[in-house]
Amino acid sequence: QLVLTQSPSASASLGASVKLTCTLSSGHSNYAIAWHQQQPEKGPRFLMNLNIDGSHTMGDGIPDRFSGSSSGAERYLTISSLQSEDEADYYCQTWGTGVRVFGGGTKVTVL
Amino acid sequence: EVQLLESGGGLVQPGGSLRLSCAASGFIFNNYAMSWVRQAPGKGLEWVSAISYTGGSTYFADSVKGRFTISRDNSKNTLYLHMNSLRAEDTAVYYCAKVGSWSIAVAGIDYWGQGTLLTVSS
Repeated sequence: QLVLTQSPSASASLGASVKLTCTLSSGHSNYAIAWHQQQPEKGPRFLMNLNIDGSHTMGDGIPDRFSGSSSGAERYLTISSLQSEDEADYYCQTWGTGVRVFGGGTKVTVL
Repeated sequence: EVQLLESGGGLVQPGGSLRLSCAASGFIFNNYAMSWVRQAPGKGLEWVSAISYTGGSTYFADSVKGRFTISRDNSKNTLYLHMNSLRAEDTAVYYCAKVGSWSIAVAGIDYWGQGTLLTVSS
């Protein structure tokens, strides 16, 4: 069974960078994922699709401070030049035949 | 601009029924699969159900299988979630979501609605 694992929390200072990780369970390292952001009291927002080779397709209007990369079973979301509005929950999602999975989410705090 | 506008949430007693609707605009609705995702208070996202672009294939999480049905009216650009035998644990914000392809097996979600709250309580 495919499981996406995310650390519950991360933090970084205003203007710094933070790198979030989404880990695909054993035997599923060839899956692409999507990253979604959910700001407090708002609905989720699609950030990007991230392929196994690290190539990514951004959502509409997403600033280039957000980038993605991949290594093996790990998929990363890097937020550069952190802004106060980046304080949010970040979820990864994957898909496939019979597969419809979200990670547990990472809460990012901007210090 | 893609817009997904959910409606139909509210307070329902345990065992009751409700239908959620999602009005879609800004894209060719009948070219894309659609999904419902929910979020219980203070919890993460949980995929609930999905439907292919024609409506010919439907999928459900084990937690709602046999109680929920999903449908779409491509002539009205509208997605539905029919919920029966509602339980307290169904209490959540329900989000309508557009899938990036005709099938949920080949793409993830690329647009979200703002959500509608369902509360199941006596």
